[in-house]
Amino acid sequence: QKEVEQNSGPLSVPEGAIASLNCTYSDRGSQSFFWYRQYSGKSPELIMFIYSNGDKEDGRFTAQLNKASQYVSLLIRDSQPSDSATYLCAVNNGNNRLAFGKGNQVVVIP
Amino acid sequence: GAVVSQHPSWVICKSGTSVKIECRSLDFQATTMFWYRQFPKQSLMLMATSNEGSKATYEQGVEKDKFLINHASLTLSTLTVTSAHPEDSSFYICSARDVQGAIGYGYTFGSGTRLTVV
Repeated sequence: QKEVEQNSGPLSVPEGAIASLNCTYSDRGSQSFFWYRQYSGKSPELIMFIYSNGDKEDGRFTAQLNKASQYVSLLIRDSQPSDSATYLCAVNNGNNRLAFGKGNQVVVIP
Repeated sequence: GAVVSQHPSWVICKSGTSVKIECRSLDFQATTMFWYRQFPKQSLMLMATSNEGSKATYEQGVEKDKFLINHASLTLSTLTVTSAHPEDSSFYICSARDVQGAIGYGYTFGSGTRLTVV
């Protein structure tokens, strides 16, 4: 089982809609969770981090963490064309290293 | 916010030569830096963890003699790809963690280096 899994294929959403991304992780001892956005040919940039169960909102982004079910999700409200990118889920399992999922491509259609 | 500078942003080299990539934390001290490699349409794969003043820890399958890492100060880590071959062509990205180690902080990425070996 991979440490971090993002299984959804490319996600196409109309402009203004909500994009929903999911991520599951295998290590119950994982402590903190991150969502990164990566544009083609660029390095990842941090969107949000979360470490407590529940929701965390930052602007149009909401991260949701459920440690019992070992998943973390990201909602993008009022999606904009500039949100078109690959979104990477990353998990810190306590040994100081981040494990990344393979990413989900989001395409926002004007 | 934390800034990590990575140079060069792109490099083309001949097969058999060596290439050095630098990663600097500009406004914070980084006890730990990470080196990733990313092939097209794939996720980031951690190559090694670089700790200031000690040997790097390499992930399984990564040749430590081929990918030399030096972390001589709290603000600089270098990755040298030795005897590069076309299959080493990839996007190399460093990440640095703030010495404070606060949850959610650190893990700032450099801009990446596109290596092409011809």
